Amino acid sequence: DAKTTQPNSMESNEEEPVHLPCNHSTISGTDYIHWYRQLPSQGPEYVIHGLTSNVNNRMASLAIAEDRKSSTLILHRATLRDAAVYYCILPLSTGNQFYFGTGTSLTVIP
Amino acid sequence: GAVVSQHPSRVICKSGTSVKIECRSLDFQATTMFWYRQFPKQSLMLMATSNEGSKATYEQGVEKDKFLINHASLTLSTLTVTSAHPEDSSFYICSALRQGRLFTSPLHFGNGTRLTVT
Repeated sequence: DAKTTQPNSMESNEEEPVHLPCNHSTISGTDYIHWYRQLPSQGPEYVIHGLTSNVNNRMASLAIAEDRKSSTLILHRATLRDAAVYYCILPLSTGNQFYFGTGTSLTVIP
Repeated sequence: GAVVSQHPSRVICKSGTSVKIECRSLDFQATTMFWYRQFPKQSLMLMATSNEGSKATYEQGVEKDKFLINHASLTLSTLTVTSAHPEDSSFYICSALRQGRLFTSPLHFGNGTRLTVT
C-alpha cells in the first residue's frame, strides 16, 4: 500500500504563503493525489486533487513532483480560517479506500 | 458543490440502547459511502465501506454486528450503533463517492455526528 508521510505540524503567519509537503514514494502510476482538510469538530473538506500536472483552484494549488513521489499543497495567502489538519491521501494505492494518515496540523499566527 | 447531509449532528443515548445515524447525498447519486470514527485528537479511522444494494465491507477489528450499515438507495446510507457502550462515544463521519467516479473525483463528507453514550 502506498503510504503518505506528512509533518505533524506547521506554522504560518497570516497572509503569507504556506507550503504543506507530502511524501508518497510508493505511489502507483494511476493514483490520484487528494488533499482534504478538517476544521475542529467538522467533517473533512475537499481541497484539491491531481494526477500528474500541477493543479489550481480557488482554495489552493497542488504542485506534483515530476517523479510523483511527493507533492506540495500551496495556500497562497494563509488566513486564520485555514487553521486545520491537512491530509494527503492516495486512494487507489490503498485498495480503493480513503485511509487517513495523521495529517499536518496547520497553525496560522495572526 | 456536492453536499452530504449527516443527521443527527449530536446524540446522547443511554448505555445498551441503539442509535441510528443517517447519511444522505443531496444532489448526486453515491454508489459508495464510507463510514469513519474519530476519537479526540486522533485521525479518522475507516470503519466500513458500503456499496448500494450490497453488504458493507468492514475494516479489521470493526464488529459488523455492532455497527450495522445499510445502503439501501443511491442517496442514503445508515449506520446503527447497537447496544451502545460508553466506549462507543466518538465522532462518526460519513462520506460519499459520486456514482461512476472512482477516486478521480473528490470524496464528499458529512459534518459528523457526535455520539455520547452515558
